[in-house]
Amino acid sequence: KNQVEQSPQSLIILEGKNCTLQCNYTVSPFSNLRWYKQDTGRGPVSLTIMTFSENTKSNGRYTATLDADTKQSSLHITASQLSDSASYICVVSPFQGAQKLVFGQGTRLTINP
Amino acid sequence: GAGVSQSPRYKVAKRGQDVALRCDPISGHVSLFWYQQALGQGPEFLTYFQNEAQLDKSGLPSDRFFAERPEGSVSTLKIQRTQQEDSAVYLCASSNRDRDTGELFFGEGSRLTVL
Repeated sequence: KNQVEQSPQSLIILEGKNCTLQCNYTVSPFSNLRWYKQDTGRGPVSLTIMTFSENTKSNGRYTATLDADTKQSSLHITASQLSDSASYICVVSPFQGAQKLVFGQGTRLTINP
Repeated sequence: GAGVSQSPRYKVAKRGQDVALRCDPISGHVSLFWYQQALGQGPEFLTYFQNEAQLDKSGLPSDRFFAERPEGSVSTLKIQRTQQEDSAVYLCASSNRDRDTGELFFGEGSRLTVL
């Protein structure tokens, strides 16, 4: 059973539009939640890291939100660009001091001109 | 180096062959992780090193998988007698913090295809 579920599995939008990606998790307690961007054929690159006490964090056109009560996070992308085409992966770090991050399966985002 | 470097980027092996994948982490990074990523899936944990010590190898799928980091810097992931189900991208990540409390920096991965 996947402890981090992402939706949608894939998404296609037009350049310039906004979009929101969802992440639901069951990992509890957790120390932080991260969003990564993974271009095709590349390694994941960190976008945001939020501790359990943070509600929102921005990185340029990317804004992540976190609701620890409902165990949900979202990643909002504003004014999308062609270079935003990638997979976006939600990752939760358990609080037990374990070494194992729990990765979601990712949302594949395609930006069309 | 400037980033995490992995080699080879692509490896094709015949079933039954042994392969070795190399990871050169960011200089000075204490923690090193190996992940396996199947097509269309998120990375899955394989093993973790703190300096030269392998503190967690619970994610290694079988005893055909072996990892080492003898001097606390470069790491090698070895897969013996490869099987088709071993086909995946193997990602290495490093961090300057203990365990995964800090930001992880990933390499570009080694894509293994077993025929």
